[in-house]
Amino acid sequence: TQLLEQSPQFLSIQEGENLTVYCNSSSVFSSLQWYRQEPGEGPVLLVTVVTGGEVKKLKRLTFQFGDARKDSSLHITAAQPGDTGLYLCAGTGNQFYFGTGTSLTVIP
Amino acid sequence: NAGVMQNPRHLVRRRGQEARLRCSPMKGHSHVYWYRQLPEEGLKFMVYLQKENIIDESGMPKERFSAEFPKEGPSILRIQQVVRGDSAAYFCASSPHRPSSYNEQFFGPGTRLTVL
Repeated sequence: TQLLEQSPQFLSIQEGENLTVYCNSSSVFSSLQWYRQEPGEGPVLLVTVVTGGEVKKLKRLTFQFGDARKDSSLHITAAQPGDTGLYLCAGTGNQFYFGTGTSLTVIP
Repeated sequence: NAGVMQNPRHLVRRRGQEARLRCSPMKGHSHVYWYRQLPEEGLKFMVYLQKENIIDESGMPKERFSAEFPKEGPSILRIQQVVRGDSAAYFCASSPHRPSSYNEQFFGPGTRLTVL
C-alpha cells in the first residue's frame, strides 16, 4: 500500500510556466519533506514542513502543508530548465514513507 | 564535511552471484537507511539501522537480502544469489537523530546494480 500518492506522475512544461505538484495521503504525518532528484543522483532535501497549514517559500518554490497534515503541495513559479528532475514528497509517521514521485521536464 | 558516500556507484553481477553495497554515513550520523528505486519510481524503504542494531527491516525481502551497520566501518547491504529482478538503484541515507518530527535524511549518490 502506497501511503503517499503524488500527482501528476509526469509533467512537461515550457520554460516560464507555473506548475503545482500534489502529495496526498489518508494518513496523518508529523512532518513532511520534499526532495528533488536528478538523474543518476540521490535525492536532495528541499524543505521540511511540520505545522498544519504551514507555508514555506524557497525562491520560486512554495511549499504548503495541509491543515490536517495529510497532504502537501509544491508550486513552482516561472519554471526553468534547471528545475527538471524527480520531485519526491516524504512523510514521517511510524516510518519514513516516500511518495510515488513527479517527474518534471522544463523545456527551454 | 563529506556527505553520505556509497560504493561502488555501479555494480554488475551475473545471476547467482553476490552483491555487496557499502554506505558511509555523514560524520556524526549514527542512523542509516537503505532504499531501493526502480526507474521513474519513488524510493521504497528497505531497512533502518543504528550502529550494531537493525531497528526496522520491514521493507527487506525475507530471503537473500541482509544488512548490517557494524561498530566500525560502513553499513553493508548484501544481496545473495542475485536475480535479474534485483536490478535497481540502491540508495543509502543517514540522519543524526532517531526518526521524529524533525527527521531529515541525507542521501548518498546511490549504487546502480545491474544483474545480467
